[in-house]
Amino acid sequence: ETGVTQSPTHLIKTRGQQVTLRCSSQSGHNTVSWYQQALGQGPQFIFQYYREEENGRGNFPPRFSGLQFPNYSSELNVNALELDDSALYLCASSLTSGRAELFFGEGSRLTVL
Amino acid sequence: DQQVKQNSPSLSVQEGRISILNCDYTNSMFDYFLWYKKYPAEGPTFLISISSIKDKNEDGRFTVFLNKSAKHLSLHIVPSQPGDSAVYFCAGVWSGGSNYKLTFGKGTLLTVNP
Repeated sequence: ETGVTQSPTHLIKTRGQQVTLRCSSQSGHNTVSWYQQALGQGPQFIFQYYREEENGRGNFPPRFSGLQFPNYSSELNVNALELDDSALYLCASSLTSGRAELFFGEGSRLTVL
Repeated sequence: DQQVKQNSPSLSVQEGRISILNCDYTNSMFDYFLWYKKYPAEGPTFLISISSIKDKNEDGRFTVFLNKSAKHLSLHIVPSQPGDSAVYFCAGVWSGGSNYKLTFGKGTLLTVNP
């Protein structure tokens, strides 16, 4: 059984740039959630995708957007990067949208200079 | 507005003793709680959960206790092992929504000394 994989693991961008982070969900999981973990904080919910549709969103501006593909993999896009966007971005998958137990990937560490 | 609070940033215990990690919450809508463990350079891994209709759930060395009236839960690890050293996150969830959004605390760094 393949776990949740994310890419890239680390990246550095400058203010104003755009970034795309990728996630492959665990085999058989049709729901993907994205979380942002800033330094010293717990993960914060960005949004969730279920069957290619956004299924809930946290308190993040519209420049954070996402996609889910038919194979249930997902992308997180962030436009007009700000310094405060520097964080660990975690992707998590679950069997259905109605399951609280999430399986997390290792995360993508984004640094914005 | 921090709906889930873990007031102890760190905890240090001796191998073989009990570790008690605490978590408080303010959102009465939470009806399900989870604990996750996170090692450096890894994503959080699910440890144990508890429904709000229960006051205790046990899984091997791990037991979670829930006190709804106090809006408090705790994770007990007995006996503690050096491999348990990690950051532990408490999370609450409301199952009445269309999605299972987890609200996490800031985490507690547990160090188990040999």
